[in-house]
Order: sequence, then C-alpha cells, then structure tokens
Amino acid sequence: DSGVTQTPKHLITATGQRVTLRCSPRSGDLSVYWYQQSLDQGLQFLIQYYNGEERAKGNILERFSAQQFPDLHSELNLSSLELGDSALYFCASSVDLETGGEQYFGPGTRLTVT
Amino acid sequence: AQTVTQSQPEMSVQEAETVTLSCTYDTSENNYYLFWYKQPPSRQMILVIRQEAYKQQNATENRFSVNFQKAAKSFSLKISDSQLGDTAMYFCAFMKHAVNYGGSQGNLIFGKGTKLSVKP
Repeated sequence: DSGVTQTPKHLITATGQRVTLRCSPRSGDLSVYWYQQSLDQGLQFLIQYYNGEERAKGNILERFSAQQFPDLHSELNLSSLELGDSALYFCASSVDLETGGEQYFGPGTRLTVT
Repeated sequence: AQTVTQSQPEMSVQEAETVTLSCTYDTSENNYYLFWYKQPPSRQMILVIRQEAYKQQNATENRFSVNFQKAAKSFSLKISDSQLGDTAMYFCAFMKHAVNYGGSQGNLIFGKGTKLSVKP
C-alpha cells in the first residue's frame, strides 16, 4: 500500500459525459501528478500540482482539467468523454519539488467510456 | 524532448535464472534520474530501482541491479534469481533534473514497457 488513495476504482460512463477522479496523496506529500495509461499511448504524464498550484503540464487535452485543494487532495475532471479516453488514470505523490524523488502511485481509476 | 525506448515487448525467464531488460533514452540533459517501475497484474506501479545520472556507480536493490552507461544512454535492469512474483510489466522511466528548485518539473517519461514472465 503506497498511501495514495484514488476513487473510484472503476468508472463506466457514456460518450459525451463528464467525470471526476479523486486522489488523496500520502500524508505530508505536497506534490501530486496525474498519469494516463492506455493501450495505444502507454503511460503519459498529464499534469502536476504542488501545494495547490499547477507546476507542469504534459499531454493533457483541453477537455481535461485538474485542481489541488487546500487539504492537498486533487481532482481530475474529464469532460465530453470519447471512446479513446478509456484508460487507467494514476495519481502519484511526492514529498516536495525535490527532483529525482520517489513518486508513490495510487492504485488507479479504470475509466471505461462506452 | 526526452524519449525512452524499451525494445523488448516481451521476455520470459525460468525461475531462479537471471534476466536483463533493456532501456535506452534520448536526452540533451546532463543531469537527470532514471527509474525502473514494476506493474504486476494488480496494476499497482511499484518503484524497483533508481539511478542518479551524476553517479557512476550502478544502483542495486537486493536481486535487482542496473547497468547504467551514460555515454551510450543505456539503462538496463538485471534481475537475479528470478521469482514467480517478478512476473509483471517493467517500465523504464526518465526524469530530468530541474534547473531551479522553484521550477521543478518532476514528471516521469515512461517507455512502452517489457512484459516479463517468470516460468516455474
């Protein structure tokens, strides 16, 4: 158990819908990362937050957005869902902005868009 | 942009034997970090081993060791005395070192993975 929690574990929804994925980092970790794992794209970095502020953006679609709240939990919002958005979405956390530090991954949320 | 390449989509090894997984990367950075992550059937991402590019000594963690060749931009993982529990996808990952602390971008760039099967 990494100490990072993600809810829900599974999500099935229809095209065009909007969903919210939730992540609670390890106690004391200020930095949160979101990754998408799909069959065709592999594991891709989406976005990073540190202590409530956006720090880095990767291949995140405009239909996707995220935020980190004062209690440090983070939410990833996916809207106008398409079949291609079906994937495993991971949240990871690390203590601070120290580079090279270990990122602790949550168990992931499996999103299926039908 | 940095890229990570794992040229072996699948590999298999007999229990108790040794196997080496290959990884190459492309970067113009001089300071960076390299990782191997394991993803068993449970889908949990687990850090196996970490290497700092400025360190010449290869990292080791129990049965896991790396062969880091900076000039060749190669970072292979050796698993000794393979166990059934080592069956998993293995991902090589790159993280660049931030120029300044405030601008840290610690995101990982992953390879496509190698599926390792350990056979009894």
